[in-house]
Amino acid sequence: QKEVEQDPGPLSVPEGAIVSLNCTYSNSAFQYFMWYRQYSRKGPELLMYTYSSGNKEDGRFTAQVDKSSKYISLFIRDSQPSDSATYLCAMSFGGATNKLIFGTGTLLAVQP
Amino acid sequence: DSGVTQTPKHLITATGQRVTLRCSPRSGDLSVYWYQQSLDQGLQFLIQYYNGEERAKGNILERFSAQQFPDLHSELNLSSLELGDSALYFCASSVGPDQNYGYTFGSGTRLTVV
Repeated sequence: QKEVEQDPGPLSVPEGAIVSLNCTYSNSAFQYFMWYRQYSRKGPELLMYTYSSGNKEDGRFTAQVDKSSKYISLFIRDSQPSDSATYLCAMSFGGATNKLIFGTGTLLAVQP
Repeated sequence: DSGVTQTPKHLITATGQRVTLRCSPRSGDLSVYWYQQSLDQGLQFLIQYYNGEERAKGNILERFSAQQFPDLHSELNLSSLELGDSALYFCASSVGPDQNYGYTFGSGTRLTVV
């Protein structure tokens, strides 16, 4: 079993839809939770990060962490064709253990 | 442009060969991280350097090695290449040694082993 599981998609939605992207994880020691966006042929770009449980909002993006369920989500409101990309969740333990554990990514296509 | 520069962008080489991938971190960043991205495994952490010293090690094969130079650029050396080493190799950088989020990634080097 992988430490972080993410549905690979692809997920296709019409422009303006609300998108929900999710990851589950197995290790309760994870403390930092991140969402990266990766366009084709580009490196991952940090969208949002959250420490421990709770919600965080930034414009059209909302990140949620439920540590009791070991489940994290990213919601995109009013989705745009420019949101079409692969979305990667990532987690880390904190402290001196620096590596990020990534999900395999969900490919999102927003249709105009 | 993220500020992290990786060269070359593409590399095609034969099995058994050795290649060197180069990374220049964002200005002011002292940590460099190397990740491998393949279709089936996703992004896998290889190794981290901070200010010239190895800081953390992940699932890096013995055939792979890395170093960070005094000017803070880093090189990832891959030797005795196998078909399975074909992947995207990303470098990321951050300011401090214990950055648990917010790395800045480069655009990657696509390695194809034939």
